[in-house]
Amino acid sequence: QVQLVESGGGLVKPGGSLRLSCAASGFIFSDYNMNWIRQAPGKGLEWVSYISSSGSTIYYGDSVQGRFTISRDNAKDSLYLQMNSLGVEDTAVFYCAREDTHSNPGTFDIWGQGTLVTVSS
Amino acid sequence: QSALTQPPSASGSPGQSVTISCTGAGHYTYVSWYQQYPGKAPKLVISEVSKRPSGVPDRFSGSKSGNTASLTVSGLQAEDAADYYCCSYGGSRWVFGGGTKLTVL
Repeated sequence: QVQLVESGGGLVKPGGSLRLSCAASGFIFSDYNMNWIRQAPGKGLEWVSYISSSGSTIYYGDSVQGRFTISRDNAKDSLYLQMNSLGVEDTAVFYCAREDTHSNPGTFDIWGQGTLVTVSS
Repeated sequence: QSALTQPPSASGSPGQSVTISCTGAGHYTYVSWYQQYPGKAPKLVISEVSKRPSGVPDRFSGSKSGNTASLTVSGLQAEDAADYYCCSYGGSRWVFGGGTKLTVL
């Protein structure tokens, strides 16, 4: 079935780095734009970053611009998020989400289960 | 991109209808709504203002008037108790509303 599975979360000290991965299955990964979305504990959803199906177009939210880097490997059906200069405010569950590129642009139709990133000393 | 404002809470009794508003969505064609249970990933319930994905009960409907998008849940059921988020797409970024906790009394 169509599935996204995140990994790579964990505990990291302020100023540290972490790389998240998202493994896709059940669909043609290279046909879809992908995103990272996060949710701080007890808070709402925050869009983090977007990458087009080919990887040629990338966008970031203001709060992560210059610190986070999104990438993908279509040969491995995988999405990544390199996070540097992490602060306590980055503590959140990070979800990868597929944009329903062809039928409903701007819509996230498939979500992973999330991976928790905790930034603490 | 403008912020999206949702009421923090909404409630209704089983069988009733409840409408959740999302103010600030007037400029955007692509407004979607997501349902989230505690500890679970969000789930798409409405896309492009009013389109209902396959598998979503027809009790869920979306609309937009002026600067406000709305999600209406008709014939409330206990399983509809969840957090609901609106989201707008502005070409190079997305913005989520703050979320509304729906309680079924």
